[in-house]
Amino acid sequence: DGGITQSPKYLFRKEGQNVTLSCEQNLNHDAMYWYRQDPGQGLRLIYYSQIVNDFQKGDIAEGYSVSREKKESFPLTVTSAQKNPTAFYLCASSIQGGRHNEQFFGPGTRLTVL
Amino acid sequence: GENVEQHPSTLSVQEGDSAVIKCTYSDSASNYFPWYKQELGKGPQLIIDIRSNVGEKKDQRIAVTLNKTAKHFSLHITETQPEDSAVYFCAAIRTGTASKLTFGTGTRLQVTL
Repeated sequence: DGGITQSPKYLFRKEGQNVTLSCEQNLNHDAMYWYRQDPGQGLRLIYYSQIVNDFQKGDIAEGYSVSREKKESFPLTVTSAQKNPTAFYLCASSIQGGRHNEQFFGPGTRLTVL
Repeated sequence: GENVEQHPSTLSVQEGDSAVIKCTYSDSASNYFPWYKQELGKGPQLIIDIRSNVGEKKDQRIAVTLNKTAKHFSLHITETQPEDSAVYFCAAIRTGTASKLTFGTGTRLQVTL
């Protein structure tokens, strides 16, 4: 099956710890994205990558870091510098330059800081 | 940058009635408008989209209309069913560039029996 997978589904972190969220896609998409979703709010873009070894900050990049060493993978690290990390995190991918830039989303990871 | 506003934030309809969700956008260069449905605990799924050269698009019980002059677009769901209950997001983007999808804040639709 082709698609986007995120792991883990639920993640708990103690304050002061860094944590990495996994995102893998086998759609052969060039572009990948990380969004944060808070209750009652829309999706806010954290980081995006249009090609391997390149990525750009989104609207709320502070306290987060990413890497794009492989086309299929775009892990997100939530660092201790992120003041309010408890949220639902969504990864997405799209064909770069493809029709309408349609984005396909993964199932999400719910991060809770204890 | 683009700004997308979405209304209402919550919507409750009886099964069989119609539901309408409205969005406005600010960037007149935006030319692609997708709608996503998000069920509880899951990622958003694309349900319908429209390009700026089209005024209306239908797919069974779902339709989207676009008014470029007024810069607003709407999602229409007819003959609603309980499985339509979810959060719906509109979005806008100018395709062909490195622009990012800008999402509305979502509408929680509840279809009651």
